[in-house]
Amino acid sequence: DSGVTQTPKHLITATGQRVTLRCSPRSGDLSVYWYQQSLDQGLQFLIQYYNGEERAKGNILERFSAQQFPDLHSELNLSSLELGDSALYFCASSVVGVVTDTQYFGPGTRLTVL
Amino acid sequence: AQSVAQPEDQVNVAEGNPLTVKCTYSVSGNPYLFWYVQYPNRGLQFLLKYITGDNLVKGSYGFEAEFNKSQTSFHLKKPSALVSDSALYFCAVRFGPNYGGSQGNLIFGKGTKLSVKP
Repeated sequence: DSGVTQTPKHLITATGQRVTLRCSPRSGDLSVYWYQQSLDQGLQFLIQYYNGEERAKGNILERFSAQQFPDLHSELNLSSLELGDSALYFCASSVVGVVTDTQYFGPGTRLTVL
Repeated sequence: AQSVAQPEDQVNVAEGNPLTVKCTYSVSGNPYLFWYVQYPNRGLQFLLKYITGDNLVKGSYGFEAEFNKSQTSFHLKKPSALVSDSALYFCAVRFGPNYGGSQGNLIFGKGTKLSVKP
């Protein structure tokens, strides 16, 4: 158990809908990352937050957004969902977010868009 | 472009034999290299990382990896494989200190499925 928690574990929804994925980092970690894992794209970095501020952005679609709250938990919002958004979404956390930090991953949220 | 390659989709090993999972990288600047393991329906678990110093890095569950700068490789090894080592292994790289505003993220290889038979 990494100490990173994600809810829900599974999510099934329809095209065009909006969902929110939640992540709680390890105690003491200030930085949160979101990744998407799909069969065709592999593991792709979406976005990083540090202490409430966006720090780095990857291949995140404009339909997706995220935020980190004062208690350091983070939410990833996915809107206007398409079939191709079906994937495993991982949250990871690290102490301060520098390149030498180890990122610890949560168990993931499996999103299925029908 | 920054990238990580895992040339083998699958590695098959008999229990008790040594195992190697290969990884090569292509980055500008100093590479920081990581190995993660993913068991079915689970998240990624950190195994080990190379930041600087000794090229041989020891990690969890008896795994180790050797950083080779001239060959731009970071192969994962274990002297004696266990059936319970069967899983999906990912090599990842980050680069520093500052590169294009993406310093925070890990770039992952496509993964290598390790199968250890009794």
